[in-house]
Amino acid sequence: QVQLQESGPGLVQPSETLSLTCIVSGGSTNIYDWSWSATNSYYWTWIRQSAGKGLEWLGRISASGTAILHPSLKSRVVMSIDTSKNQFSLRLKSVTAADTAIYYCARAVADHGDYFGFWGQGTLVTVSS
Amino acid sequence: DIQMTQSPSTLSASVGDRVTITCRTSQSISRWLAWYQQKPGKAPKLLIYKTSTLEDGVPSRFSGSGSGTEFFLTISNLQPDDSATYYCQQYNSYVWTFGQGTKLEIK
Repeated sequence: QVQLQESGPGLVQPSETLSLTCIVSGGSTNIYDWSWSATNSYYWTWIRQSAGKGLEWLGRISASGTAILHPSLKSRVVMSIDTSKNQFSLRLKSVTAADTAIYYCARAVADHGDYFGFWGQGTLVTVSS
Repeated sequence: DIQMTQSPSTLSASVGDRVTITCRTSQSISRWLAWYQQKPGKAPKLLIYKTSTLEDGVPSRFSGSGSGTEFFLTISNLQPDDSATYYCQQYNSYVWTFGQGTKLEIK
């Protein structure tokens, strides 16, 4: 069973960069192997939840490193993956108070579009000086 | 982006009741809809995908139906553990979007 765990600072200064990492675990299998099964392909995803916008999909990255990002955030977001460390990362530049949210990493099932079968516990990031 | 509208926003029901939550989309999404359950302080948990397919381990008291622009999550024989906020999510058209949530309270 795949498990995901977010890590990163809980407080970020306005105009700075928010950086989060999601570590993927689950027995001896690695993130690359967790990206496929006999019936599905999977993507590694970031979703955030705020009081103002609810649940918001931010983007996803494949095991091969191909990222698809939310159009409204594309200019500020970078996603990367390190299969040797079983982790993937989110960087969100030039943050404002509107970026304050609980950030979740998740594994998306690629089935026509993406839905989200496994989630991390979430990490609260507050943007404030 | 496809807009998702859930109703009601809050719902109160008793143990043993049957409740239905509605999710409407701003354009047709065929049957590409998922439902999640979220409890306070926890991540959302996948309940149903492709409108009506139950995720492994989800009790059969949960069921989903609908197509096009109108979808339903029905919970039968309500249990105290069903107290949570429920979200729908469309995955027909990129960008994947979520409803605003329906908070279910068990009396």
